Amino acid sequence: GNSVTQMEGPVTLSEEAFLTINCTYTATGYPSLFWYVQYPGEGLQLLLKATKADDKGSNKGFEATYRKETTSFHLEKGSVQVSDSAVYFCALTPSNTGGFKTIFGAGTRLFVKA
Amino acid sequence: GAGVSQTPSNKVTEKGKYVELRCDPISGHTALYWYRQSLGQGPEFLIYFQGTGAADDSGLPNDRFFAVRPEGSVSTLKIQRTERGDSAVYLCASSLNVGANTGELFFGEGSRLTVL
Repeated sequence: GNSVTQMEGPVTLSEEAFLTINCTYTATGYPSLFWYVQYPGEGLQLLLKATKADDKGSNKGFEATYRKETTSFHLEKGSVQVSDSAVYFCALTPSNTGGFKTIFGAGTRLFVKA
Repeated sequence: GAGVSQTPSNKVTEKGKYVELRCDPISGHTALYWYRQSLGQGPEFLIYFQGTGAADDSGLPNDRFFAVRPEGSVSTLKIQRTERGDSAVYLCASSLNVGANTGELFFGEGSRLTVL
């Protein structure tokens, strides 16, 4: 079946450090891939997305590239800030369901220290 | 505001009681989704509505769970004979584009249900 696996947290970094959160997926066909973020006290919101192989999604300094050959969608940021502290969820929408059933990973909590 | 609104934000009930959770989606969004998020886990799909009809209810865990969207806007998730294992945050999301699998989900802040 379809599934998403992401690295366990928490991840603790100092400000301006480089961030990578790994995400791999299992799906048939060509799913769309997403990263959602949940800041403390807020609802989940879309951070970035990629809809086909080799696409790169980017937003707020974060990037992720859709790698079909490795079934991965790792999240990266070159220099994190304290305000990036949040829980990050990798997600996919399978191509055979018309976009109706987005499947989420378990989430990775990021703490950024000043 | 113009976001997805969920009420109540917190609900504490006793085992065996009936609970209703309400979701008011973004105006104009035809698709509405319910998810359940347990502590330390990602959101788990429950049900999806396109307009008034449930297009996919395959994620509902059992027949104690039911959801309606009678006028194609507000939705209510209903849980009968609640059990302690039903304790979780219930998330509602809506989206505009249902014709392709590229649509962004807009989430509410959730309803935290605690069953004692």
